[in-house]
Amino acid sequence: GDSVTQMEGPVTLSEEAFLTINCTYTATGYPSLFWYVQYPGEGLQLLLKATKADDKGSNKGFEATYRKETTSFHLEKGSVQVSDSAVYFCALSTGANSKLTFGKGITLSVRP
Amino acid sequence: GAGVSQSPSNKVTEKGKDVELRCDPISGHTALYWYRQRLGQGLEFLIYFQGNSAPDKSGLPSDRFSAERTGESVSTLTIQRTQQEDSAVYLCASSYPFGTGRQETQYFGPGTRLLVL
Repeated sequence: GDSVTQMEGPVTLSEEAFLTINCTYTATGYPSLFWYVQYPGEGLQLLLKATKADDKGSNKGFEATYRKETTSFHLEKGSVQVSDSAVYFCALSTGANSKLTFGKGITLSVRP
Repeated sequence: GAGVSQSPSNKVTEKGKDVELRCDPISGHTALYWYRQRLGQGLEFLIYFQGNSAPDKSGLPSDRFSAERTGESVSTLTIQRTQQEDSAVYLCASSYPFGTGRQETQYFGPGTRLLVL
């Protein structure tokens, strides 16, 4: 079945550091790929998505490129801020019902 | 409403009791999903509704779990004879209908935190 693997956490960075969060996937179909974020005390919200190979999703300075050859969708940001502290989930969807398959999530803490 | 709402926000119950969790999706979103997030785990898919029918119930963990949706709006997830392993955050999400090109983006509610003692 479909699965998503995220790098182990938590991750702690200093403000303005470069961020990479790895995500790889296994899917029987041709998935769409997502990054969701959960800020402290808030609900899960979509950060960015990509629906086909080589597409780049971007939002709030974050980027991720759909790499079919390596089945990856790594999240990057050039300069993190304290306000980026949150839990980040990589996910995929396939099929007509578009149900999401999530990775376990990773907690990012950014210190001033 | 502005977003997906869920109630209650927190529920504490005793083992063996039944619980009902409610989800109000965004108006116009005919697709509705239930997920479960257990401590330290990612979200697990439970069930998908398109309108009032549930074409995919493959994630329901046992026959103690059931869900219904009426009027293409509110959905209720019911857990009968709760067990301690049912303790989790239950999340609801909704999206536009399939074929609109916008179904893939799901909007999540704040969740119901269930604790079974």
